[in-house]
Amino acid sequence: EVQLVETGGGLVRPGSSLKLSCATSGFTFSNTWMNWVRQAPGKGLEWVALIKDKYSNYEANYAESVKGRFTISRDDSKSRVYLQMNTLRDQDTATYYCTRDYGGVAYWGQGTLVTVSS
Amino acid sequence: DTVLTQSPALAVSPGERVTISCRASESVSTLMHWYQQKPGQQPTLLIYLASNLESGVPARFSGSGSGTDFTLTIDPVEADDTATYYCQQSWNDPWTFGGGTKLELK
Repeated sequence: EVQLVETGGGLVRPGSSLKLSCATSGFTFSNTWMNWVRQAPGKGLEWVALIKDKYSNYEANYAESVKGRFTISRDDSKSRVYLQMNTLRDQDTATYYCTRDYGGVAYWGQGTLVTVSS
Repeated sequence: DTVLTQSPALAVSPGERVTISCRASESVSTLMHWYQQKPGQQPTLLIYLASNLESGVPARFSGSGSGTDFTLTIDPVEADDTATYYCQQSWNDPWTFGGGTKLELK
């Protein structure tokens, strides 16, 4: 059974940092592209970041709204993907979902809530 | 980025047939996927590659379309189908999602 479990969310102040983690199981993580997608309260879905596999040299791509502030990374030995979020803003408040990219189709974790507020 | 446009809301009665549309600002071939999201839950996959039913999803759900116009059909609608439905394209980078269609039952 495919499982994706996100952790690391919480309440933080504007300008601070937070690192999200996603533990995975039930599939071959090392050759899977992974994404983070977020959803602000009461809003729609927004793609945030992608990290490709070793065969694609772990290439990472980012939404313009987070470029330069967020960093996606992975540890194939632990089947985990991470999202380092720096210089957080109020508008980064959202539930962050880790998603398995299966040929462009997303399979979702349960999400972790990040609240940025003073 | 490819913009996906969905109607914001629909209201139907149980037993009826409902179609939810998604229009892309440019062609996405058949790389369009549909998700259902119930309140407080993560999205779950219903249809992939425009018309393929995900394993375990009831056959009441179906998808069609190619290029820029896509449709998700539920026939017949059941009370448990109350949810928000999102389309997502993976033909053009980056992934983009429609704004969601909230389905309510009368």
